[in-house]
Amino acid sequence: AQSVTQLGSHVSVSEGALVLLRCNYSSSVPPYLFWYVQYPNQGLQLLLKYTSAATLVKGINGFEAEFKKSETSFHLTKPSAHMSDAAEYFCAVSADNQGGKLIFGQGTELSVKP
Amino acid sequence: DTGVSQNPRHKITKRGQNVTFRCDPISEHNRLYWYRQTLGQGPEFLTYFQNEAQLEKSRLLSDRFSAERPKGSFSTLEIQRTEQGDSAMYLCASTQRRTSGGSETQYFGPGTRLLVL
Repeated sequence: AQSVTQLGSHVSVSEGALVLLRCNYSSSVPPYLFWYVQYPNQGLQLLLKYTSAATLVKGINGFEAEFKKSETSFHLTKPSAHMSDAAEYFCAVSADNQGGKLIFGQGTELSVKP
Repeated sequence: DTGVSQNPRHKITKRGQNVTFRCDPISEHNRLYWYRQTLGQGPEFLTYFQNEAQLEKSRLLSDRFSAERPKGSFSTLEIQRTEQGDSAMYLCASTQRRTSGGSETQYFGPGTRLLVL
């Protein structure tokens, strides 16, 4: 079975500060890992994904994430927050033997203060 | 590529009524997924199709729920005898399955928000 835990349901940073959103996963098989962003009343948009190539993954809007197998983590970072980054962020896991379905964490709401 | 579309965007219904949602995936995508998202939670998997075949249903999908993808293109999700606990955002996603499963990006529609009174 697979699962995802996102530490912190709400994170608040100042504009220009580092963004760090934490994600830990559990998987009995090699995982694929994803970060999605959701703006109010909208669907989910892919930020980046890990598919067993490079462990440091770069995504859109300046975000990146590092896959650490020893820590079962896939934390999302951005060096400098913008006001437009305020949204809900979801970490998700899938695997080859799971039909491609995504198992999501509970989400982290990011607030950016001016 | 016009993206994944869902209709209606919002639905308000009374308890006990039936509702049907439609999802139009990206045209060349052979896989279609349905998820349900309640307030403050991440999306939860409901079911998925490979072309017209429904390959998996979550235990969340009670017998009041039925999904179809009759010609391998659009899909419908019907809820019969709605209950207040069915109030949620229903999300559809599509992808093009290649030889390896699980790593393909799923593209999400804007969702249908259901409110059962």
